[in-house]
Amino acid sequence: GAVVSQHPSWVICKSGTSVKIECRSLDFQATTMFWYRQFPKQSLMLMATSNEGSKATYEQGVEKDKFLINHASLTLSTLTVTSAHPEDSSFYICSATPGGLSYEQYFGPGTRLTVT
Amino acid sequence: AQSVTQLDSHVSVSEGTPVLLRCNYSSSYSPSLFWYVQHPNKGLQLLLKYTSAATLVKGINGFEAEFKKSETSFHLTKPSAHMSDAAEYFCVVRTTGFQKLVFGTGTRLLVSP
Repeated sequence: GAVVSQHPSWVICKSGTSVKIECRSLDFQATTMFWYRQFPKQSLMLMATSNEGSKATYEQGVEKDKFLINHASLTLSTLTVTSAHPEDSSFYICSATPGGLSYEQYFGPGTRLTVT
Repeated sequence: AQSVTQLDSHVSVSEGTPVLLRCNYSSSYSPSLFWYVQHPNKGLQLLLKYTSAATLVKGINGFEAEFKKSETSFHLTKPSAHMSDAAEYFCVVRTTGFQKLVFGTGTRLLVSP
């Protein structure tokens, strides 16, 4: 149980275009989803927290107009990288939590974005 | 603010020998601490977690960690390394009152035959 999927697993796009990444909780309802960014050989940095039906809360230094997050249902959150540039190339990982007392986060397999 | 420091960026062991991955934490309150493992091009997997119950926590795949308040440490150990243990390991603390996780910088475990 507690499986989180991401789609696509990898994507290559041209500079200036936008790309959407989906994060789905497959067997539970996720009250909260998180988006992380991981540069090569580095740790995960939290980008934003999203709750179903409300606006995402972005971490300091993360451009909300560049990284659009939508959490339209209890099983789906999307991250759209708008006007992507090569410096946006990274590994994007989502996690989801069913809420309650445990607050345990279940992680997706990640999406590798390469902007050329 | 809560934080974790992983003391080694790389640890190399031989198969069959013990594993020790070190993590120190900083927290004003009793923390919730986790160890996650990340295999190449795969998602993060929870190895074990400490949430103020028993100080010696047993996880999956033979790993365990001991919470030592006096030393502010939460080191990960395994008696005998296996080739499949080669991966990146992250020590993580959950922020008090929130759901946010703060990751350490990671330790790459290398296992040689």
